[in-house]
Amino acid sequence: DGGITQSPKYLFRKEGQNVTLSCEQNLNHDAMYWYRQDPGQGLRLIYYSQIVNDFQKGDIAEGYSVSREKKESFPLTVTSAQKNPTAFYLCASTTAGSANEKLFFGSGTQLSVL
Amino acid sequence: SQQGEEDPQALSIQEGENATMNCSYKTSINNLQWYRQNSGRGLVHLILIRSNEREKHSGRLRVTLDTSKKSSSLLITASRAADTASYFCATGYSNYQLIWGAGTKLIIKP
Repeated sequence: DGGITQSPKYLFRKEGQNVTLSCEQNLNHDAMYWYRQDPGQGLRLIYYSQIVNDFQKGDIAEGYSVSREKKESFPLTVTSAQKNPTAFYLCASTTAGSANEKLFFGSGTQLSVL
Repeated sequence: SQQGEEDPQALSIQEGENATMNCSYKTSINNLQWYRQNSGRGLVHLILIRSNEREKHSGRLRVTLDTSKKSSSLLITASRAADTASYFCATGYSNYQLIWGAGTKLIIKP
């Protein structure tokens, strides 16, 4: 079945540690997105990529980094510079590089600080 | 960027009743989308309505869009326990970004 796979489902970060969240899609979508969701709030865009080897900062990119070496993969690294990383992270994808169309979401990763 | 506003923040109804939730936004949009999120899960797309459309249906869902009032509503008819979830609207302003509301938490009581 086609879809987006995020792993791990739960992740714990120690002080000063970088952690990487995985996002893989087999939908052949060009565009991929990373969102952060805090309790009781909507989604905020961290980074997005419309094509391989290219990505753009979203509204809250500070403390995060991404790469897009393959069309199907868009990993997110939460660096030690992100002082408040506890949140639910969602990866999404869509066709044709336009977020004005339907987004497909992974099942999310809950990141917590130890 | 500013988020859209949804109301109510929470809604609790009896199974079989209709549920209505609303979304307002501030500037002209290309389209508006509604998504559902079950607790601790990813979002699932429900309906997309374009700025030149006024109403769309999908099964028990009905979405309206009033661009003069900059608002949209999502109606779920004959609610079921499985409809318990949070519902989000997202407004499309540009080719890469959606602006998300804070969501309406819907609880269907048996």
